[in-house]
Amino acid sequence: AQKVTQAQTEISVVEKEDVTLDCVYETRDTTYYLFWYKQPPSGELVFLIRRNSFDEQNEISGRYSWNFQKSTSSFNFTITASQVVDSAVYFCALREAAGNKLTFGGGTRVLVKP
Amino acid sequence: ETGVTQTPRHLVMGMTNKKSLKCEQHLGHNAMYWYKQSAKKPLELMFVYNFKEQTENNSVPSRFSPECPNSSHLFLHLHTLQPEDSALYLCASSQATASNQPQHFGDGTRLSIL
Repeated sequence: AQKVTQAQTEISVVEKEDVTLDCVYETRDTTYYLFWYKQPPSGELVFLIRRNSFDEQNEISGRYSWNFQKSTSSFNFTITASQVVDSAVYFCALREAAGNKLTFGGGTRVLVKP
Repeated sequence: ETGVTQTPRHLVMGMTNKKSLKCEQHLGHNAMYWYKQSAKKPLELMFVYNFKEQTENNSVPSRFSPECPNSSHLFLHLHTLQPEDSALYLCASSQATASNQPQHFGDGTRLSIL
């Protein structure tokens, strides 16, 4: 069965600090997809990134970067030079190639203080 | 502006009421989903529809009844709910139920059962 663990329930930083969110997953499939979503206070989940299990290249998008380590089953997310607008709950999710089900981690609440 | 619209945004109802949640997507997607987000649990997938056909029911109690008249609309009919059903209900859509497709979420309906 697939499982996603986000060990950090809440992280508080001061603006301009970097923050790294951990995500560890479990799956028996060799082909799977990993996602990160952002949930601001307004409630909607905003898609940030998808990573395929066969592509271990790290990715950078502006102040966001992702580190996919298949050997440790981790898909960590770093926000560089955080801003107040980054305050939200961030979810890591996994979907196996064969299934309909997107399994979410428990989420990490990020609070960026001015 | 989100491509997935949910109404109402907030709903308060008694345990004997009957109400419906509505979701509409303007993204040309073929798959739609209902999720439940409770305060103390990870996001839980409830139902999956692909081309109007239900393809997954994640052991959801029968007091929740989904309806998908077409690929753009998804309803969740509520009847005789319990206080533990109070939660944020999120609708999502994707191009297909293929596992590499990201899901796009609506703002959610925050449901409170009195």
